Amino acid sequence: QVQLLQWGAGLLKPSETLSLTCAVSGGSFSGYYWSWIRQPPGKGLEWIGEIDHSGSTNYNPSLKSRVTMSGDTSKNQFSLKLTSMTAADTAVYYCARMTDLWGQGTLVTVSS
Amino acid sequence: SSDLTQDPAVSVALGQTVRITCQGDSLRSHYASWYQQKPGQAPILVIFGQNIRPSGIPDRFSGSTSGNTASLTITGAQAEDEADYHCNSRDSSDNRWVFGGGTKLTVL
Repeated sequence: QVQLLQWGAGLLKPSETLSLTCAVSGGSFSGYYWSWIRQPPGKGLEWIGEIDHSGSTNYNPSLKSRVTMSGDTSKNQFSLKLTSMTAADTAVYYCARMTDLWGQGTLVTVSS
Repeated sequence: SSDLTQDPAVSVALGQTVRITCQGDSLRSHYASWYQQKPGQAPILVIFGQNIRPSGIPDRFSGSTSGNTASLTITGAQAEDEADYHCNSRDSSDNRWVFGGGTKLTVL
């Protein structure tokens, strides 16, 4: 059974960089696009971007200037970096294989 | 604002049928997927493609599309169906995934 396990810092100060990693267990990393999605408290879901096993990426234009995604096929992992964090970036961040597989989510709070 | 439009809240009496809708231009060329999300939990896929339920999803959940509107229908709503429901699809114009704002379903 394929599962996604994600981790990363949950409390950041304004201007810091978010760094999250997601590991794919029980299945193949290749052949799929892997996404990051976020959900501000009490609000809807927002797609951040995606990466495939070759490193090909697509980013949400609204976040593109601040986002970098990378992958490590040897570890079946992929990562998200989001720079210049502000309070508006406070959200639960999910890794996912669109559309059928989601990580457990990481609450990221940006506060001074 | 969201790329797909959903009603913020819908209610249904226990055992009755409810339809949750999702509107957007991307739906003219891509099927919607529907997710159920309960408080504090990650979304769970309930419908994808033309009308496909993942394993373990009850058959009271069904999906349909007409023009730029996708619908999720729950036939015989149960108390455990009370949740937020999100739709999403692919937007070919700029190769990204888009979501609706979510619909909070209350089962009375």
